[in-house]
Amino acid sequence: QKEVEQNSGPLSVPEGAIASLNCTYSDRGSQSFFWYRQYSGKSPELIMFIYSNGDKEDGRFTAQLNKASQYVSLLIRDSQPSDSATYLCAVEAGGTSYGKLTFGQGTILTVHP
Amino acid sequence: GAGVSQSPSNKVTEKGKDVELRCDPISGHTALYWYRQSLGQGLEFLIYFQGNSAPDKSGLPSDRFSAERTGGSVSTLTIQRTQQEDSAVYLCASSPSGSGGYTFGSGTRLTVV
Repeated sequence: QKEVEQNSGPLSVPEGAIASLNCTYSDRGSQSFFWYRQYSGKSPELIMFIYSNGDKEDGRFTAQLNKASQYVSLLIRDSQPSDSATYLCAVEAGGTSYGKLTFGQGTILTVHP
Repeated sequence: GAGVSQSPSNKVTEKGKDVELRCDPISGHTALYWYRQSLGQGLEFLIYFQGNSAPDKSGLPSDRFSAERTGGSVSTLTIQRTQQEDSAVYLCASSPSGSGGYTFGSGTRLTVV
């Protein structure tokens, strides 16, 4: 079992729709969760982080965390073609305090006009 | 600097040669990380620096890999006797306080022929 699992997709949504990206993790001691976006041929960029159970909103992005279910998700509202990218879920290893991340394989999102 | 700078951006080397990859983190960021991203693979943690020390080098694949950081700033990742399986994009990231909210550099694409 992989430590951080994502549906590789591709996930295709029409422009203006909500894109829902999901991630599960195996380390129950994990405390911090991150979403990175990676455009083709580019390096990852941080878009959201969440530490507490519940929802965290930032513009069109909402991160959701459920530690009991070991599940974290990212919702993108009003999806735009410019949101087309690979979205990486990353989990800070339990028991560490220095930001070592375990990444999922990423979900490819395509937003079509 | 304004961002994390990596050099070279591309490196083609012959099998068996040594290579050095350089990372210049954001000024003032004490934490520095090296990751590797292979085609079809997720990001793989290699090593973490806090200042000039490396408390976690558990991800280095073999003793052919080594890294150092000097002056709490620039880091060099050295791969000796390169093998074809070393071909990947090597990404450096930094953060101000050892959290998982990194800023990544643009990476070095290493190709071993």
